[in-house]
Amino acid sequence: EAGVTQFPSHSVIEKGQTVTLRCDPISGHDNLYWYRRVMGKEIKFLLHFVKESKQDESGMPNNRFLAERTGGTYSTLKVQPAELEDSGVYFCASSRIEGGAADTQYFGPGTRLTVL
Amino acid sequence: AQKVTQAQTEISVVEKEDVTLDCVYETRDTTYYLFWYKQPPSGELVFLIRRNSFDEQNEISGRYSWNFQKSTSSFNFTITASQVVDSAVYFCALNDYNTDKLIFGTGTRLQVFP
Repeated sequence: EAGVTQFPSHSVIEKGQTVTLRCDPISGHDNLYWYRRVMGKEIKFLLHFVKESKQDESGMPNNRFLAERTGGTYSTLKVQPAELEDSGVYFCASSRIEGGAADTQYFGPGTRLTVL
Repeated sequence: AQKVTQAQTEISVVEKEDVTLDCVYETRDTTYYLFWYKQPPSGELVFLIRRNSFDEQNEISGRYSWNFQKSTSSFNFTITASQVVDSAVYFCALNDYNTDKLIFGTGTRLQVFP
């Protein structure tokens, strides 16, 4: 079974540019999460999809960030326009929905975003 | 507010030493889950263990063991006879039962030297 995949693995852009990150969850996982780790700090939650619906987007830092999950499969996270403080590693995770209990979230390798 | 504290920023040991990584959590929930993830140099987060708040039994998996103590709100992780391949950043996390999101500690970088 393939794990969570993320593309690209690295992205270097200039301030003001746009970047789109992609996440493909484990097949059959209806839950999809985005997290971010800014250098040296803890990994922080951004948002949670259940299928194609946003369940919780309380961690999204501002309206420069737009996440979508059309069709309930892969998800994209767009940052437009990017700012210096957006630099960090963006992780995607997925999990099954199982009886209402929190199932284990499996993470992808992350996308390292550098904004110059 | 929920919080996870990993006070040890970095630990260095020599191979075959035992090492314990500390994790202290705060939550008002009576039902919650605790996790440990490993981040090797390749970057991905690898799931190690999931423990629910009603199960205080310690767990052993090979050289890894976990000590969950609700009385001290701790969920410590011990590696016995450490190996160079154990070198990684280890994250402890708490699951918010109502929202499903994970709340992470800042991680502990473990370096095992030959």
